[in-house]
Amino acid sequence: SQQGEEDPQALSIQEGENATMNCSYKTSINNLQWYRQNSGRGLVHLILIRSNEREKHSGRLRVTLDTSKKSSSLLITASRAADTASYFCASYGNNRLAFGKGNQVVVIP
Amino acid sequence: DAGITQSPRYKITETGRQVTLMCHQTWSHSYMFWYRQDLGHGLRLIYYSAAADITDKGEVPDGYVVSRSKTENFPLTLESATRSQTSVYFCASTPDSGGKNIQYFGAGTRLSVL
Repeated sequence: SQQGEEDPQALSIQEGENATMNCSYKTSINNLQWYRQNSGRGLVHLILIRSNEREKHSGRLRVTLDTSKKSSSLLITASRAADTASYFCASYGNNRLAFGKGNQVVVIP
Repeated sequence: DAGITQSPRYKITETGRQVTLMCHQTWSHSYMFWYRQDLGHGLRLIYYSAAADITDKGEVPDGYVVSRSKTENFPLTLESATRSQTSVYFCASTPDSGGKNIQYFGAGTRLSVL
């Protein structure tokens, strides 16, 4: 199985609520990345956290990384309808970027 | 326009036909990648290229051929299409500066093999 596997959840939340997604990976990594994919479009890079970092913020995004548990989480605060998308984590290690299966998030206006 | 473009966006073909999907990037990124995206599997790497004339297999290379004669182009060919190759195909590139490997994706090609 591939590295970078999100919890296979589909989230449906109200606008203004927070959305949290989790991801696990299997091998040692250089960094862990999160991407967003809107329906019918390509993936867009959101945020990267290095293996020696524990938490990182970018706007309404907060990413945590626990290398001892080989897991990461992505928090989107104060969600908006425009945040409706699929979110993928991707673990970078051994010169490869391995994507998880994605989490679909629906934000209801 | 700057960026990474894929063509065609949609393609319908028949089993056994040869199909080529095109990918073009204007950034002069060294690395380019082909993925396929299927429900339940996420993105799987088909082939990648570190530079012109350098290509290597990914996770699911069988039935596919790539070439990279120029840095900016990375076509993917299905030599004899099968129904199992019905998928959405994404091309990506990265300059791989600083070892981050942040990838930039095209809009995808939706391929149906009948």
